[in-house]
Parts: sequence; C-alpha cells; structure tokens
Amino acid sequence: AQSVTQPDIHITVSEGASLELRCNYSYGATPYLFWYVQSPGQGLQLLLKYFSGDTLVQGIKGFEAEFKRSQSSFNLRKPSVHWSDAAEYFCAVANPSNTGNQFYFGTGTSLTVIP
Amino acid sequence: NAGVTQTPKFQVLKTGQSMTLQCAQDMNHEYMSWYRQDPGMGLRLIHYSVGAGITDQGEVPNGYNVSRSTTEDFPLRLLSAAPSQTSVYFCASSDWTNKQYFGPGTRLTVT
Repeated sequence: AQSVTQPDIHITVSEGASLELRCNYSYGATPYLFWYVQSPGQGLQLLLKYFSGDTLVQGIKGFEAEFKRSQSSFNLRKPSVHWSDAAEYFCAVANPSNTGNQFYFGTGTSLTVIP
Repeated sequence: NAGVTQTPKFQVLKTGQSMTLQCAQDMNHEYMSWYRQDPGMGLRLIHYSVGAGITDQGEVPNGYNVSRSTTEDFPLRLLSAAPSQTSVYFCASSDWTNKQYFGPGTRLTVT
C-alpha cells in the first residue's frame, strides 16, 4: 500500500533563510508526487507536481522539489523564505493507474517563519 | 469559474443527528473526493467518485455515505453523527492530469 512520511512535524526558519521540507514515500513503482500548501483556515493549494521526466520540478511561489528514486524522496525546497510562506505543507502521492481519485497525504509539516 | 464550493463552512451537531455536507464544482471534472483532516493525521480519503453514478470507498468510509447523481455535485452524508466525526472536511475535484482543486472546507463539531 502507498504511504507518505513527512518526518518533520514542525520547522522554524528565519526570513531569508533557505528551506527544505522532507517527504519520503512507499510505493511499488514511481507514483505521481505532489506538494500542497495550506494557510490557516484555508483549503489546499497545489505548489508543484511530478509525473515523469526531469526530476527537478519548479512550482509556484519560488518552490522547487527534487524526485530521487533511489531514496524514495520528493523534498521541497526554497532558496529564500518569506514571512508569507508560514503555513502547513503536505506531500501527497497518487497511483498513476488510478487517475484522479486516490491521493495519499503525509501528516504535514508546519512552517514558522521568524522575522 | 467558482471552482469547488462547500457548504456549510461551520456546523455543530449533536450525537445521533444526521446532516449532509454539500460540494459542487463547475469545472466539469469527472473525479471528486471527500477528505477529512484531523490534527497530526494529514488528510484521509473518505469516499471518491470517478463520474456520475460511480462512487467508491476510500481509507475511512465508515459512518459516511455519498452519491453522485450529477457531474457537478458530490454530497457527503453523515447518517448518525458521532464525536469521532468532529473534523474538517474537504471536497476536491480533479481533472485527468491529476491536478486536484480543493474547496475551502467545512468545520464540523459533534457534541
């Protein structure tokens, strides 16, 4: 069965510092991979996704993520964090053979940004 | 486009009451899903639908029913609410590219 692990429950960074949020998945083949962001009281917004091809994917708001098959990881990065990036971040996987309907989410990483 | 809309935004129920959480999308997406979000648990899939007339269970379906009579609407029914169903509920729709669009959520409290 698919599963997603986000080892860091909470991360605090200073504004302007770099950020890396970790995501590891368990799946028999290469799944579809996603990162979502959730601001307080809001729904989820897609930051970026990986289906195939180039393992470094660019997303919105200056985020990027790198798929590493050997490590079963899909870590999210940002070179310089802004105060507005404070939010909850979720990694998710989907089975490519079940298009559109079965997503498995990690438990989330809460990001605090210190001025 | 309004995207994915959910009503109500907030709801308080007593144990044993029933209610329906509404979800609608205007993007003509075939795929729709319901999730619940609990602290420290992430989002867990309750039920999903791959098109009108077709629904299936997700990870945590017990206590919930769904139907999909039209492409646009995907209501979630709680037949007899329990305190364990206190949660934030998100509806999502997705196109064939697997990009999911989430509604703003419904915060449900069962006392």
